[in-house]
Amino acid sequence: QKEVEQNSGPLSVPEGAIASLNCTYSDRGSQSFFWYRQYSGKSPELIMFIYSNGDKEDGRFTAQLNKASQYVSLLIRDSQPSDSATYLCAVGNYGQNFVFGPGTRLSVLP
Amino acid sequence: DAGVIQSPRHEVTEMGQEVTLRCKPISGHNSLFWYRQTMMRGLELLIYFNNNVPIDDSGMPEDRFSAKMPNASFSTLKIQPSEPRDSAVYFCASNQAGGETQYFGPGTRLLVL
Repeated sequence: QKEVEQNSGPLSVPEGAIASLNCTYSDRGSQSFFWYRQYSGKSPELIMFIYSNGDKEDGRFTAQLNKASQYVSLLIRDSQPSDSATYLCAVGNYGQNFVFGPGTRLSVLP
Repeated sequence: DAGVIQSPRHEVTEMGQEVTLRCKPISGHNSLFWYRQTMMRGLELLIYFNNNVPIDDSGMPEDRFSAKMPNASFSTLKIQPSEPRDSAVYFCASNQAGGETQYFGPGTRLLVL
């Protein structure tokens, strides 16, 4: 059984701080890793995906992948109240066989 | 682009009734996914289709659930008979072959009394 784990939170950070979200996965054969954001009552929307070990940056967001440790993280720099949402880590194989983690609820305090 | 379209957006029914959820994927996308989201279990993949063919239905909870995709622009998820534990938000998502981004529909909120 493939498993994806995340801290459920809530994670609270002050506005302007760096928010760090973590995710571990059990299937070593996983090839692609995703971070989705879900606002309350809305559907998940993709923030970033990463395939290779190391960092990938997109604006205020940085995804970090370490396949040896089976660990993927998301850093949000200069956190804004509008970043308050649940962040879902998903692990799969090139767009298929997605397994989602339970999500981490982030609260950015003004 | 209209995005993934799901109907109904809300459904309230009584235990034992048949429920049919509908999804229209984004035009040109050839993979379609059905998910269920609850507080207890999070977001679970139920089944996905490639080119209208079911590829993996291992997430379908039991025989009361069935899904079809008769053509590239339409899919249904049916629950018969429905039970209170089926209450959840059901999402449909689609993506292009080889694409990484799954685009989610707005979801159907199902309440079974």
